[in-house]
Parts: sequence; C-alpha cells; structure tokens
Amino acid sequence: EIVMTQSPATLSVSPGERATLSCRASQSVSSNLAWYQHKPGQAPRLLLYGASTRATDIPASFSGSGSGTDFTLTISSLQTEDFAVYYCQQYNNWPYTFGQGTKLEIK
Amino acid sequence: QLQLQESGSRLVKPLQTLSLTCAVSGGSITSGGYSWSWIRQPPGKGLEWIGYIYQSGSTYYNPSLKSRVTISVDRSKNQFSLKLTSVTAADTAVYYCARGRPTGSFDIWGQGTMVTVSS
Repeated sequence: EIVMTQSPATLSVSPGERATLSCRASQSVSSNLAWYQHKPGQAPRLLLYGASTRATDIPASFSGSGSGTDFTLTISSLQTEDFAVYYCQQYNNWPYTFGQGTKLEIK
Repeated sequence: QLQLQESGSRLVKPLQTLSLTCAVSGGSITSGGYSWSWIRQPPGKGLEWIGYIYQSGSTYYNPSLKSRVTISVDRSKNQFSLKLTSVTAADTAVYYCARGRPTGSFDIWGQGTMVTVSS
C-alpha cells in the first residue's frame, strides 16, 4: 500500500496570502494524484487531478505541481472560504490511499 | 447535475452487519464508464477508501477490509450499496459514497452519513 504523507498538519495563513501544502508518496505515483478540499459537515470537493489539472468550476487560484513522489498544492491569495482541510489522494496503485490531511486555518 | 445520497443504519451493534445505500440522482449509474465507491472517515482520522464497483458489476476492495466487504449495484433503482460484516468500534466513521472518474479520482461525493458501532 502506498502511504501518502502531508505536511504540515496545520498551516496558519492570513487572508490574502499564499498557502503551499505538500504531499509525499512512499513510492512513485506518476501524476496520478488528486487534491480535495473538505469543510466540516460537507462533502469533500475535488480540486485537482492528474496532479495539476483543475476540476470543473475550480478557480485558477488553486494550482498543483509535482510528479513521482513529491507534490504541491498552492492557493494564491487566500479567501475566507478557502480555510478547510485539504487531502491528497493517489490513484496510481490499488488500494487508492489518502494523506492524513492539512488543516488550513486563519492566522 | 448528478447527486449522491447515502442512507442506511446509523447505529449498528458489534459483530452485526453495517448496510448503506447510495442513491444516484440527476444521471444514470450505468453511463460514462465511471466507478462507484465507498470511502469512510473515522472520527479524528483521515479518509480510507473501502472499494468500488463498476456498472458492469466488477468490484475491487481494499485488502484491509476485503474479507468483510460487499459492494453491489442495483441498476433498476439507480443505486449502489455497501455491506460490512462483523463490525467493531473501529468501523465507527462517516461513510461517503462517491463517483470515480475513469482515471481514479473522485469527482462527486455524497454528504456522508455517520455510522456508530455500539451495543
């Protein structure tokens, strides 16, 4: 099973600033990586797939990069609605696995 | 637009079977080559993929749960279901159903349902 490790566990950022979240895979997942945003009481929302392709209706403020084992999600100019928990997920190998999440909180 | 809604037993006794159904509305479960998954999140923990089913009926289960899991599809009712046998407190979680894109990410999720295993 591929282990996905996200860092940091919690990230405190002020509105209007940039946030950079990291995800590392225990072995190569090529570009088969997705990012999700999850708010309490809501369904997780797909942000990016293929490491860098934005899903439908996702604003350009969300961007992704990386391949192999190291990936980054960048959120430029944070809005209040962007504060949530973010998960990465690999779908290169079965079973599909998620990271433990990064909580993005208001500083 | 496609929507998913989980339903089923919210409280299950230890060693009994957890049963959940995901109703698909706004589209057909048989179209587009998508897979249909169950994913769970225990309190305070991350997401765990349980398994998926294709409209053809083929399935893949997480090896950690494989011996206890069955996912089935009812095309006539446009829904798919999860059964998890011999549950313990470790199976207490929010259970989500989700649509999987052909390449493997999950683009549509249900709101989730909390299932508690307790006597």
